[in-house]
Amino acid sequence: DIQMTQSPSSLSASVGDRVTITCRASQSIIKYLNWYQQKPGKAPNLLIYGASGLHSGVPSRFSGSGSGTDFTLTISSLQPEDFATYYCQQTDNIPFTFGPGTTVEIK
Amino acid sequence: QVQLQESGPGVVKPSETLSLTCGVSGGSVSRYYWNWIRQSPGKGLEWIGCISQSGSTKYNPSLKSRVTISVDRSKNQFSLNLSSVTAADTAVYYCARDWGYDSNGFGGWFDPWGQGTRVTVSS
Repeated sequence: DIQMTQSPSSLSASVGDRVTITCRASQSIIKYLNWYQQKPGKAPNLLIYGASGLHSGVPSRFSGSGSGTDFTLTISSLQPEDFATYYCQQTDNIPFTFGPGTTVEIK
Repeated sequence: QVQLQESGPGVVKPSETLSLTCGVSGGSVSRYYWNWIRQSPGKGLEWIGCISQSGSTKYNPSLKSRVTISVDRSKNQFSLNLSSVTAADTAVYYCARDWGYDSNGFGGWFDPWGQGTRVTVSS
């Protein structure tokens, strides 16, 4: 299985801060990397597909980059509705696997 | 737009079979791949498997011996059966559409997701 790791596991930030979350795959996944946002009690929602594609309706303050094994999700200016848990996912190989998540909390 | 809704029992006895259905509205199960994912505090998000528009399936090897995913085009829904359940199968189960994949079903992304259904394995 391809193992996905994320760092940090959690972070505290203020509204307006720039936030960067890193995701690393245990082997190359080319650009088959997606990012999801999940709020408590809700299903995950797609933010970024194919490492850098912004899903329809997602604010432009979210961006993704990377290829191979190293990827990042950046929130350029954190908003109150962005406090949530973020997961990366690879769909390059079976089984599709998710990272353990990064929780963004209010400072 | 496409909406998904999971349904099924909230409690399943150990050693029995967990059966869930995902109803699809606003779109056809005869297009795209359709996935089951579960989430438990201990294991995070775990992909269970998927079924394609042609009926071919892919399963997580860790669950493959116990999982069956099928599609009912007449009802526009797809289903998950997980046999011989134990407490470790207690989780919130989600269904999700997969799209953007290549000709072999890889490289896609999951959107939308159903709201999820909590399943507890308990006697």
